[in-house]
Amino acid sequence: GAGVSQSPRYKVTKRGQDVALRCDPISGHVSLYWYRQALGQGPEFLTYFNYEAQQDKSGLPNDRFSAERPEGSISTLTIQRTEQRDSAMYRCASSRSTGQNTEAFFGQGTRLTVV
Amino acid sequence: GQQVMQIPQYQHVQEGEDFTTYCNSSTTLSNIQWYKQRPGGHPVFLIQLVKSGEVKKQKRLTFQFGEAKKNSSLHITATQTTDVGTYFCAASRDSSYKLIFGSGTRLEVRP
Repeated sequence: GAGVSQSPRYKVTKRGQDVALRCDPISGHVSLYWYRQALGQGPEFLTYFNYEAQQDKSGLPNDRFSAERPEGSISTLTIQRTEQRDSAMYRCASSRSTGQNTEAFFGQGTRLTVV
Repeated sequence: GQQVMQIPQYQHVQEGEDFTTYCNSSTTLSNIQWYKQRPGGHPVFLIQLVKSGEVKKQKRLTFQFGEAKKNSSLHITATQTTDVGTYFCAASRDSSYKLIFGSGTRLEVRP
């Protein structure tokens, strides 16, 4: 596609429910990142994929958070048993190559609100 | 863990004044990137610096990477209202591909 696409744009869920956030990266982009951004803060790293391999998940806050990218393209970030503190903007980014020195293209994000 | 500190947190300038934001790390960085996020928008890549002491310019924007590759700056000459937004530095260390963002500097410009 023309850019990184995330869905849904907005998600309101009740505490305790599971949510799945989807990211469709730019076609052909090898690297995919998930970030969480609180209001007025910088993006906080969650996890990174190189093709389908999850190479770094050190930023996932706890075991309620998981991510996958089974075919090396679309990725899903799943949050189980959501809590109010999970409310944030979740951003996906992709980049062209596996190496460093490549720019990250961000999607519009999914605004998650847990009530 | 790796942290990137960015200052100031906020700056409010008169249109035409200059603006600078600084990014600092306690560890040597492999490269540093700068992003701009408009209000309500998403981060958009501006530039990447790789070499020690590197200086790059984009029109009124000047980007520098420190000699020790531990700090960087973004300077905007003669700000315009279109410069409004939050500027983030983002860095990766060594062979890690993890891109860590600073907390950002929010710029407001009075017309």
